[in-house]
Amino acid sequence: NAGVTQTPKFQVLKTGQSMTLQCAQDMNHEYMSWYRQDPGMGLRLIHYSVGAGITDQGEVPNGYNVSRSTTEDFPLRLLSAAPSQTSVYFCASSLTGGRYEQYFGPGTRLTVT
Amino acid sequence: GENVEQHPSTLSVQEGDSAVIKCTYSDSASNYFPWYKQELGKGPQLIIDIRSNVGEKKDQRIAVTLNKTAKHFSLHITETQPEDSAVYFCAAAFGNEKLTFGTGTRLTIIP
Repeated sequence: NAGVTQTPKFQVLKTGQSMTLQCAQDMNHEYMSWYRQDPGMGLRLIHYSVGAGITDQGEVPNGYNVSRSTTEDFPLRLLSAAPSQTSVYFCASSLTGGRYEQYFGPGTRLTVT
Repeated sequence: GENVEQHPSTLSVQEGDSAVIKCTYSDSASNYFPWYKQELGKGPQLIIDIRSNVGEKKDQRIAVTLNKTAKHFSLHITETQPEDSAVYFCAAAFGNEKLTFGTGTRLTIIP
């Protein structure tokens, strides 16, 4: 099993550009989520999904879109990148929800100039 | 929503000594409290968790204690080793949808 994979590993964007961060898991997990990690602020939940076709907002959803068309994939879209979105982004999955072990991907380091 | 505070933000201990990291949470209905370890350049990994029906849980050199009345929980690492150097995050969950993380503690083990 590859676990949770994320692409790309690094990305530099200009302000106003859009892009999609990819996340996939091969563990047949129902629950998937996106976090951003900033110095001194820990991990903050952006969006999450409890199953294919179902998504909901986390703590910091503004500027991001998600969709969940399959159990395996949970892409995160930045609509119009801003310098405030410079961060490290982690995707995670778990069996059924937040009260179970979260398996994190290796992260994507995004810089917006 | 849930708010989790974590202290200290940095901690240095001599190899072989114990390390303690503390967290407090705001929502008294929270009932699941995991701890994650993040090594440099990697995603966080679960090291231990506790549910609200128990007060303490141990796994070799690692233990977590929970005080529901005071709404705080702690991570204890005994006989620290160089490989324990990492960033540690506590978290709390109410229901089964959202997990709220603390701000992290950078632990450095001094040889």
